[in-house]
Order: sequence, then structure tokens, then C-alpha cells
Amino acid sequence: EDQVTQSPEALRLQEGESSSLNCSYTVSGLRGLFWYRQDPGKGPEFLFTLYSAGEEKEKERLKATLTKKESFLHITAPKPEDSATYLCAVQAGGYNKLIFGAGTRLAVHP
Amino acid sequence: DSGVTQTPKHLITATGQRVTLRCSPRSGDLSVYWYQQSLDQGLQFLIQYYNGEERAKGNILERFSAQQFPDLHSELNLSSLELGDSALYFCASSGSGAGNSEQFFGPGTRLTVL
Repeated sequence: EDQVTQSPEALRLQEGESSSLNCSYTVSGLRGLFWYRQDPGKGPEFLFTLYSAGEEKEKERLKATLTKKESFLHITAPKPEDSATYLCAVQAGGYNKLIFGAGTRLAVHP
Repeated sequence: DSGVTQTPKHLITATGQRVTLRCSPRSGDLSVYWYQQSLDQGLQFLIQYYNGEERAKGNILERFSAQQFPDLHSELNLSSLELGDSALYFCASSGSGAGNSEQFFGPGTRLTVL
């Protein structure tokens, strides 16, 4: 069964303290891995798509990387406005549906 | 703003009732997806429509149904509501063809069943 696991469940950082979030996956036929940001009570906001091992994408303080078993979302010098839940999702096989992990709740304190 | 709209934002109803949630996809997107997000289950795929046709089903209950209309908007119908149906319901849309795999989510409808 296709599965996505995110760690840690929650992360507290001081402003400027860089860190990484992990997303490990077990799927048959990965077609794409997606990162989303979700603020409380809002819809997920698309961040990145990664398609193959070795691929990297960057946006402001965020950088996403992909290996054959996991993806990392690196956050460099975070600011309080980066506080949110970060969701990882995969598309696999012949389906377009997204299979989501449970998310990592990030809190960045000044 | 993703370009996906959902109405209503909030819905409060009683057990046993029926409700309809509405979604308008981004301009030009043919695919619409419905997801349910609850505290204990996370984001779960319910159903996908593509250009008016049902394309894929997830763990959608038989009490739930959906359709996509010729103007591409979609409706999710929830009937015989139970307390456990209380959740956030999201609609997402995507384009077609290579390079259009990203799904863009609407702001959601928060359903509370009392």
C-alpha cells in the first residue's frame, strides 16, 4: 500500500535557525512528489513538484530535494511568517490523486 | 489566491441532514478533486472528475456523491450526515497533459454536524 510518512510531527525553531523536514514514501511507480504549505483553517498552498531522484527546487528560504526513498524540505534562516504546517504528497501509478502525509507543524519564534 | 473557489465557507447542520458543497475550478482546468481533512485522518482523497466524467474514487462513503457540470463546476453531496462527517472539505483543480500535475486547492468548506 502506498504510504507517506513525515517527520517530525512538530518543530519549533528560533528565527534564523535553519532546519530540515523529512518526507519518506513507499509507493509503486512514483510520478511526482509535492510539497504544500497550509495555514490554520486554509487550503493547502502549492510550493514544489519533484519528479526524479536528484532533483532540487528552491523558492526564497525553502529548498526541496528528492531521493529514491525520501524528500527533504530545507528551511534556511526561517522567519516567523514561515510558521505553518508543511504537507508532503505523492502521485503514484496511473492515478492523479494525491496521497498526503500527516504534515509537520512548524513554529518559528522571534 | 489559487483561483479555486468554494462555497459556502462554513456549514452547520444536524445529524441525518443532507448538504451540498460547491466548487469552481481555476479557469481552464478540466480536473476537479475532492478531499476531506479531519483531525485524525489528515487529508484524504475522495473523488476526481475530469471534464464531466468520474475518473477516480478514493475512500468515499456511499452516502457521499459528486458531479461535475458542463461549465466544469463541481458539487459534493453529503447525505444522512453523522457526527463523524464533521471536517474540512477541499476542492482542488489541475490542468491536463504533461507538466500539469500540480493540484491547486480552494479555501475549503468547514462542515460541522451537531
